[in-house]
Amino acid sequence: DGGITQSPKYLFRKEGQNVTLSCEQNLNHDAMYWYRQDPGQGLRLIYYSQIVNDFQKGDIAEGYSVSREKKESFPLTVTSAQKNPTAFYLCASSIGGTTTGELFFGEGSRLTVL
Amino acid sequence: KNQVEQSPQSLIILEGKNCTLQCNYTVSPFSNLRWYKQDTGRGPVSLTIMTFSENTKSNGRYTATLDADTKQSSLHITASQLSDSASYICVVTTMDSNYQLIWGAGTKLIIKP
Repeated sequence: DGGITQSPKYLFRKEGQNVTLSCEQNLNHDAMYWYRQDPGQGLRLIYYSQIVNDFQKGDIAEGYSVSREKKESFPLTVTSAQKNPTAFYLCASSIGGTTTGELFFGEGSRLTVL
Repeated sequence: KNQVEQSPQSLIILEGKNCTLQCNYTVSPFSNLRWYKQDTGRGPVSLTIMTFSENTKSNGRYTATLDADTKQSSLHITASQLSDSASYICVVTTMDSNYQLIWGAGTKLIIKP
């Protein structure tokens, strides 16, 4: 089945540790995105990528890093520089840009800092 | 400032009843408006996408309306089912850049048997 796979679904991290969230899609979509979701707030864009080996910062990129070495993969690293990393992280993809294209989301990864 | 406001924040209705969720936006220039359904602990799923020229769009028991003049949209759910319990998120796309989506905080809907 075509779709977006995020892993792990739940992740616990100690303060000072970097963690990497995986996002893989087999929809052959060009664009991929990472969002952060906090209770009572709208989704906030962390990073996005339109093509392989290129990515752009979103609204809240500080403390995060990404790579796009393959079209299918867009991993997100939450670094120790992110002051408040506990959140629900969502990966999405679209055929083109989001001006008209539909976004398809993964099931999310919930990160908790202990 | 581009903003999307949704009301109510939460809503409880009985199974089988209808309900309407509201979305007001101050986003310019406008490209399109989307409604998503998000089950607890899962990713959002698209319900409808409407452009400036579309007044109404249906997806099964979900009907979205758009009034571009007043910058308001609504999502009407007919004959609610327990599986409709979820958060419903309104999202407006600007034409400033390809990736400027303005997300509402969502309305949490609970359907009681």
